[in-house]
Formats: sequence, structure tokens, C-alpha cells
Amino acid sequence: TQLLEQSPQFLSIQEGENLTVYCNSSSVFSSLQWYRQEPGEGPVLLVTVVTGGEVKKLKRLTFQFGDARKDSSLHITAAQPGDTGLYLCAGATGGFKTIFGAGTRLFVKA
Amino acid sequence: DAGVIQSPRHEVTEMGQEVTLRCKPISGHNSLFWYRQTMMRGLELLIYFNNNVPIDDSGMPEDRFSAKMPNASFSTLKIQPSEPRDSAVYFCASSRQGGPGNTIYFGEGSWLTVV
Repeated sequence: TQLLEQSPQFLSIQEGENLTVYCNSSSVFSSLQWYRQEPGEGPVLLVTVVTGGEVKKLKRLTFQFGDARKDSSLHITAAQPGDTGLYLCAGATGGFKTIFGAGTRLFVKA
Repeated sequence: DAGVIQSPRHEVTEMGQEVTLRCKPISGHNSLFWYRQTMMRGLELLIYFNNNVPIDDSGMPEDRFSAKMPNASFSTLKIQPSEPRDSAVYFCASSRQGGPGNTIYFGEGSWLTVV
């Protein structure tokens, strides 16, 4: 059974702080994605990482794929209230199946 | 371009009634997914289709759930009979296999409440 475990489950921080959320699995994935979901909406893709060790930056967000392609991290620098939301990691197998972690619920206080 | 379109957005029904959720994937996408999201269990994959063919339905909770994809532009998820524990947000999503990293595009969800 492929599982993606995310930590922490919930994070409440002050505006301007830095944070890192983690996504771990015992399975190897052909690609790993991070999505962000706001209340009342579906998840929206932030980034896809494909190569082991890959690092991608999206403004204040930095995403890293583990060398073994089993884990990933998302680091946010100087968090803002607009970053508030549910962050989901998702892993794709070599086939069509994509599974999601339970998510990290982030709340950034002004 | 239109995204994934789901209907209804909200439904409240009584236990025992049949519920049908509908989805129109993004044009040109050849994979379609049905997910269910609850606070307790997160986002669960129920079933996915590739080129209108069901590939993996191992996530379908039980026989009360069924899904069809009669053509490339339409899919349904049916629950019969519905139970209160089926209350959740049901997302339909689509992707284009061969695209970068299996990017999945989600609809806005169908919020189901069974009383």
C-alpha cells in the first residue's frame, strides 16, 4: 500500500515567519506534486518535481524532491496571510494513479 | 478555457435516496478521477478512468457506489442507496497522460450531505 504522510498536520504561525512542511513515503514515485486548497475550492497545482534531488522555487516557496524520490519538502519564507490554506502533496506512480497525503493546514496570522 | 465542471455544487438528500454526481472533464484530457474528501480521511481516490475505461476502482467504498464514463466528455458517480456516512465533498479531476508530471486539474467539488 502506498501512503504519503505529511507533517505537521496543522501549523499556525505569525506573518513573516518561515516554515517547512514534509511529505514522506516508503514508496518511490515517478513524480511528486504539491497542491494548495482554499476553502470551498478544489486543490490547485503549485509545482511538480520529477528528478531525485530536484529543487524548484516559486517566489517565496521552495520545493525539494528527495534523492530517492520517496519524500519532499515545502519551505515558505516570510509567510503571509495569503499563504493560509491546505497544502497537499501527491505522488504519481508510473501508471495513471495519483494519491494524496492528508495535508498540512496552514494558518498565517497578520 | 473551461476547467473541470461538476454538478450539482451542493446536494442535501435523505438517507436511502439515490445520488448522482456529474462531471465534464477538460477537453482533450484522457484521464478522469473521482476523489472524496472528508476531514477525517482526507482526499481519497475512489476510481479513475483512462480513455473512458475504468482502470482502478479499488477505492470505491462498497457496492453502493458506481461510476461510469460513457464518453470522453462525461462521467457520473452514483450512490444508491445513500447513507449519512457518505456525506463529503466529491471531486472530479482530469489530466492528460503524457503531460508534465501527471498534472491533475480539479473541479470545484460537489458537496453532499445525507441526512
